[in-house]
Amino acid sequence: NAGVTQTPKFQVLKTGQSMTLQCAQDMNHNSMYWYRQDPGMGLRLIYYSASEGTTDKGEVPNGYNVSRLNKREFSLRLESAAPSQTSVYFCASTSSLGQNNSPLHFGNGTRLTVT
Amino acid sequence: LAKTTQPISMDSYEGQEVNITCSHNNIATNDYITWYQQFPSQGPRFIIQGYKTKVTNEVASLFIPADRKSSTLSLPRVSLSDTAVYYCLVGLNNFNKFYFGSGTKLNVKP
Repeated sequence: NAGVTQTPKFQVLKTGQSMTLQCAQDMNHNSMYWYRQDPGMGLRLIYYSASEGTTDKGEVPNGYNVSRLNKREFSLRLESAAPSQTSVYFCASTSSLGQNNSPLHFGNGTRLTVT
Repeated sequence: LAKTTQPISMDSYEGQEVNITCSHNNIATNDYITWYQQFPSQGPRFIIQGYKTKVTNEVASLFIPADRKSSTLSLPRVSLSDTAVYYCLVGLNNFNKFYFGSGTKLNVKP
C-alpha cells in the first residue's frame, strides 16, 4: 500500500515547454486534488476531482489542465510552462461520498523549475 | 468555505507544551476543523480533527470552544522533531474543496 505516488520527483523545463505530472493512489479514494506550494508559502488548490469523471477549478487554475483518467489516477498538465509556475506540486486524495471527514493523504511532491 | 487565520510563526523549547490557535469566525454548522503538519520537502500529514469540545489522540489535543469560532491545537512536551508548519483547515469533506492558509511555522529550540 503505497498511498499517493507522484512522478516525477523533479523536473526542469524551459519556458514554453509542456509536461504532465502524474498522480496515482491505491486507497480506493473518490476525491483527488492538485496543490502548488511556492517557497515559504501555504498550499494553493489548482484543481480537484470530486469523483471519477468530474473535475473542477480551485483557487489558481490558470495555465493548467487536469485529467481524471480513472479512479486511481489524476494528472496535471502544463501546456506552455512559464517561470511563474516554478513550484512544488502536491497531489492529495481523500475518501468521500458517505464517509465524512476523512483526512487528505498527500504525495511527496514534484519539484518543478521553469527557466 | 470558512477562512482561517493563524499566527505566522511561534518559537518554543524542547519539553514545553505548545498551543497554536486558529480563528475561523465564519465557520458553518456542518464544518469540521482539521489540523495538518508539514515537514520540509514533504506533503502535509493529518494530525487531528474535531467538531466541538475536545479531541485527543496520541499526538495532540484539539480544543474547540462552544461558539466554534476558533480552535487550539495543543502539542504536549514538544521535541526538536516537532519543528514544522502547522495548518488549520475548516470545511466539510463532502464539499470537496480544501483550502489551506499560510500555516504556523513552529520552531522548537533545544
